Amino acid sequence: GAVVSQHPSRVICKSGTSVKIECRSLDFQATTMFWYRQFPKQSLMLMATSNEGSKATYEQGVEKDKFLINHASLTLSTLTVTSAHPEDSSFYICSARLPGLEYEQYFGPGTRLTVT
Amino acid sequence: GQNIDQPTEMTATEGAIVQINCTYQTSGFNGLFWYQQHAGEAPTFLSYNVLDGLEEKGRFSSFLSRSKGYSYLLLKELQMKDSASYLCAGVDSNYQLIWGAGTKLIIKP
Repeated sequence: GAVVSQHPSRVICKSGTSVKIECRSLDFQATTMFWYRQFPKQSLMLMATSNEGSKATYEQGVEKDKFLINHASLTLSTLTVTSAHPEDSSFYICSARLPGLEYEQYFGPGTRLTVT
Repeated sequence: GQNIDQPTEMTATEGAIVQINCTYQTSGFNGLFWYQQHAGEAPTFLSYNVLDGLEEKGRFSSFLSRSKGYSYLLLKELQMKDSASYLCAGVDSNYQLIWGAGTKLIIKP
């Protein structure tokens, strides 16, 4: 149980375009999902916390207008990277928290974004 | 501030034992996670400690000392597939995960 999927697994886009990444909890309902970014040889950096039916909470330094997060249902959260630039190239990982378990997060497989 | 410290890189030999240390400072404490991350993949859960002591799971064990703000991950009978980064993450009073930078473990034959 507690499986989280992400789509796509890899995406290459041109500078200036937008990319949408989906995160789904497959066998449970996730009231809270998290979006992380990881640059090569660095640790995970929390970008935002996404709560179903409400606005996402962004970490300091993360641009809300650039990284649009929508958590429209209990099983789906999306991250849209708008007007992507090469410096946005990174590994984006989502995780979901099981209801009632305040600490445990289950990670999706990640999305490798390359902006050319 | 909140901080997680762990060594950047360690090297060990196949079949041996290695201990990866982690010290933490968090605002409040609701436990500590260890995750394994292979290159290009998402982290996978290894262990969660909230009480002092050692928890053993097969070849992997995790230890916690809350009074010392210290944890370690012990890997026994190392295999080549154990080559990965090991991430230590503390859980603060808001149940946020505070991540360490990860320890890259290199296993040599």
